[in-house]
Amino acid sequence: DQQVKQNSPSLSVQEGRISILNCDYTNSMFDYFLWYKKYPAEGPTFLISISSIKDKNEDGRFTVFLNKSAKHLSLHIVPSQPGDSAVYFCAASALHNNNDMRFGAGTRLTVKP
Amino acid sequence: NAGVTQTPKFQVLKTGQSMTLQCAQDMNHNSMYWYRQDPGMGLRLIYYSASEGTTDKGEVPNGYNVSRLNKREFSLRLESAAPSQTSVYFCASSEILADTQYFGPGTRLTVL
Repeated sequence: DQQVKQNSPSLSVQEGRISILNCDYTNSMFDYFLWYKKYPAEGPTFLISISSIKDKNEDGRFTVFLNKSAKHLSLHIVPSQPGDSAVYFCAASALHNNNDMRFGAGTRLTVKP
Repeated sequence: NAGVTQTPKFQVLKTGQSMTLQCAQDMNHNSMYWYRQDPGMGLRLIYYSASEGTTDKGEVPNGYNVSRLNKREFSLRLESAAPSQTSVYFCASSEILADTQYFGPGTRLTVL
């Protein structure tokens, strides 16, 4: 069962604009959420995370928002740069239960110069 | 500090051949994982090892076996390769099961 869903397989934005990637989850036990970035021919790399006790976490150009009532999280990239073009995976786990992590199917972001 | 390493990087097999994918981590992590990535399917968990001495099935374990050789190493074996196992395989590790995972560079496997 798909407990973590990324409904947009792809997203294209102009350089300098905001990129918003979305993710929905179904398991209310999840309390730890992450975004990974993946370039072609490389492994996914950890980008940013958020605990369920927060609703926002910022790291430079990257901000993750968590809406627990809607079971929704999003990644904002501002401003977007061509080097941000990659596949972004959303992931979630129940850290307090030490259960394994679940990944979404990924969204391919293309930032056009 | 190499992080997570995988060998080989590329492999071509004929149907029915066997092979073992190797993975090692130098971060002293307790948990290790094997995923496969297919177009449009995201990362699907094959097997994982929560700690040294334990292994468990993930979402797509059929056709695979694993060995947690020690705390550092976690291998994935295909006993009789099938074309459906053509994929990119990633190994990952984390401090504990639910924590941030760190991935290797992947092995691209083609089964003819």
